[in-house]
Amino acid sequence: EADIYQTPRYLVIGTGKKITLECSQTMGHDKMYWYQQDPGMELHLIHYSYGVNSTEKGDLSSESTVSRIRTEHFPLTLESARPSHTSQYLCASSESRAGVGQFFGPGTRLTVL
Amino acid sequence: KNQVEQSPQSLIILEGKNCTLQCNYTVSPFSNLRWYKQDTGRGPVSLTIMTFSENTKSNGRYTATLDADTKQSSLHITASQLSDSASYICVVSDRGSTLGRLYFGRGTQLTVWP
Repeated sequence: EADIYQTPRYLVIGTGKKITLECSQTMGHDKMYWYQQDPGMELHLIHYSYGVNSTEKGDLSSESTVSRIRTEHFPLTLESARPSHTSQYLCASSESRAGVGQFFGPGTRLTVL
Repeated sequence: KNQVEQSPQSLIILEGKNCTLQCNYTVSPFSNLRWYKQDTGRGPVSLTIMTFSENTKSNGRYTATLDADTKQSSLHITASQLSDSASYICVVSDRGSTLGRLYFGRGTQLTVWP
């Protein structure tokens, strides 16, 4: 079944640790996105990718980095987590043609102590 | 500045009642408008998508309207159910870039009581 997956769903980690949030989609979508969402607030685009080996920064500045080595995989990495990184991170994907909707993963809720 | 404003911020209704959520936007040039439902701790799920030429679209008990002239949209929920409790997010896409930039509202938090 075509879907988009994120792991872990919840992560509590100490300051200074390196973390990687995983995102995979089985729909063959070229475009993938990472959003950051604080409680009760709108989603903010932090990274996006048009395809393999293509990554761009989004509107909201983020200390995280992403990679796109395979079409289906778009991991997000924080080299040194800080309490200010506490948030929900949502991964999404879409087809290449304009005007189509984005499919969202279930999200990863990150808490940095 | 491109913006999407939603109202009310939160809403509580009794099961079985109808409700209407509002979305005003200033995004230009406009491409399409989507309504998403986001359950707590989950990713958003698309309910409807409307382009400039469409002024109404239904998905079961959800009916969205669009007035591209006044840049307003509404989401009407009929005969609400407990499972409708969620955040409803209005998302507007522009056509000024190849990315199809999305602008998100902050959502309306709907709570349905038995």
